[in-house]
Amino acid sequence: TQLLEQSPQFLSIQEGENLTVYCNSSSVFSSLQWYRQEPGEGPVLLVTVVTGGEVKKLKRLTFQFGDARKDSSLHITAAQTGDTGLYLCAGLMTTDSWGKLQFGAGTQVVVTP
Amino acid sequence: KAGVTQTPRYLIKTRGQQVTLSCSPISGHRSVSWYQQTPGQGLQFLFEYFSETQRNKGNFPGRFSGRQFSNSRSEMNVSTLELGDSALYLCASSRLGQGRTGELFFGEGSRLTVL
Repeated sequence: TQLLEQSPQFLSIQEGENLTVYCNSSSVFSSLQWYRQEPGEGPVLLVTVVTGGEVKKLKRLTFQFGDARKDSSLHITAAQTGDTGLYLCAGLMTTDSWGKLQFGAGTQVVVTP
Repeated sequence: KAGVTQTPRYLIKTRGQQVTLSCSPISGHRSVSWYQQTPGQGLQFLFEYFSETQRNKGNFPGRFSGRQFSNSRSEMNVSTLELGDSALYLCASSRLGQGRTGELFFGEGSRLTVL
C-alpha cells in the first residue's frame, strides 16, 4: 500500500487544456516535493512545499499544499506538449536526517498537439 | 555544475549473472540513494549511503548491495540476477541526506535487462 496516493494514474489531454493531479495521504508530511520524469531520464525536482496552505507557481504550473499537510495538488494551465511526463509526488514525514522520502506511484500525463 | 552521472546507461545480462552499477553524485553531495523503477511497482527505495555508511535500507533481498567510496561515488551490485530484476536503476544525490529536505537530484538511470 502506497503511503501517498496519486490520482489519476493516467491523463491524456490536448494542448491548451488544463489539468490537475492529486496527491493524497492520511499521514502528515513535514514537506512535499513534486518531480517530473520524462522518458529515458531520471526524475527532476519541480518544487518543494513546506507550509500548510502554501501555494507555489512555476510558470504555468501551480502547486498547493493542503492546510493539514496531508495532501497536495498540481495544476497545469494551458498544457503544452512539453508538459508530457510522469509526475511524482514525494513526501517527508520527518526532518530526521535519516528519514526516507515516500514516493507516490505517479501520474502519467500525455499532452497531444 | 555537473549533474549525477550513472554508468552504464544500458546493459543486458542473463539469469544467474551479477551486475555492478556506478553513480557519481553532484560535487559536494555526500548522500547517494538508489532506487529501482518498474512499470508495475513504481519507484522503490533500495538504500542510502552517506559518508561511506549505509544509513537507510529498503525491503530488498540481500542480493542487492551497495557501497560508497571516500569521494562519495557509489556502486550497487546485484548478484544472482533474476528476470524480475529487469528495471531502471536510478541513483540520486543530495547534499545532506534525503531526510533533511527531500530534494533529490537524479541521474538518468541504468536500464538493466535480464534474459
